[in-house]
Amino acid sequence: NAGVTQTPKFRVLKTGQSMTLLCAQDMNHEYMYWYRQDPGMGLRLIHYSVGEGTTAKGEVPDGYNVSRLKKQNFLLGLESAAPSQTSVYFCASRLTDVSSYNSPLHFGNGTRLTVT
Amino acid sequence: DAKTTQPPSMDCAEGRAANLPCNHSTISGNEYVYWYRQIHSQGPQYIIHGLKNNETNEMASLIITEDRKSSTLILPHATLRDTAVYYCIVSLSPGGTSYGKLTFGQGTILTVHP
Repeated sequence: NAGVTQTPKFRVLKTGQSMTLLCAQDMNHEYMYWYRQDPGMGLRLIHYSVGEGTTAKGEVPDGYNVSRLKKQNFLLGLESAAPSQTSVYFCASRLTDVSSYNSPLHFGNGTRLTVT
Repeated sequence: DAKTTQPPSMDCAEGRAANLPCNHSTISGNEYVYWYRQIHSQGPQYIIHGLKNNETNEMASLIITEDRKSSTLILPHATLRDTAVYYCIVSLSPGGTSYGKLTFGQGTILTVHP
């Protein structure tokens, strides 16, 4: 049981390049989230998904797109990277059925992205 | 979601209890208190949560005041590996109006000394 796995762990992009961050969970969780963490800013929600085929915007969605084609995977895309998107990106998931009414978030260990 | 206030940093000697306070004076009746921690370079880790009653698990204890306006996370025997940023979060349950999003503030940096 790997939990939440993020790939890649590190990446350096040049301004204008694109990339996709992959989040995979093997816990059969319905909800999945993408956060970014910047010094002094705490964790901020980018996008989230409440189930396969559905996505929604969080607090800071601009410049990002997401897709949830399979229940276990949640992809975060940067179409044209900017230096302001230099950050550590965390994926998380959680159960939502009645038996786990207040199930906690399970986080991956992050992707460290630098945009030059 | 209600806002929380935590001290920016705390120190604790190894082997002693670490008591981390959190104020959440605007908490509403159906909001839970969650605690997470983040060890350097890792993703946040769930510790414990509660509504009204005190809670205990293998990692920690959570003491919530009777008026629910504050709480304390207790690590009974702190070790060097407990050095981390600890986040106190107040949030509705997933079944309520919230979609399960947890808002992380700045947290408390706990440093455990030998």
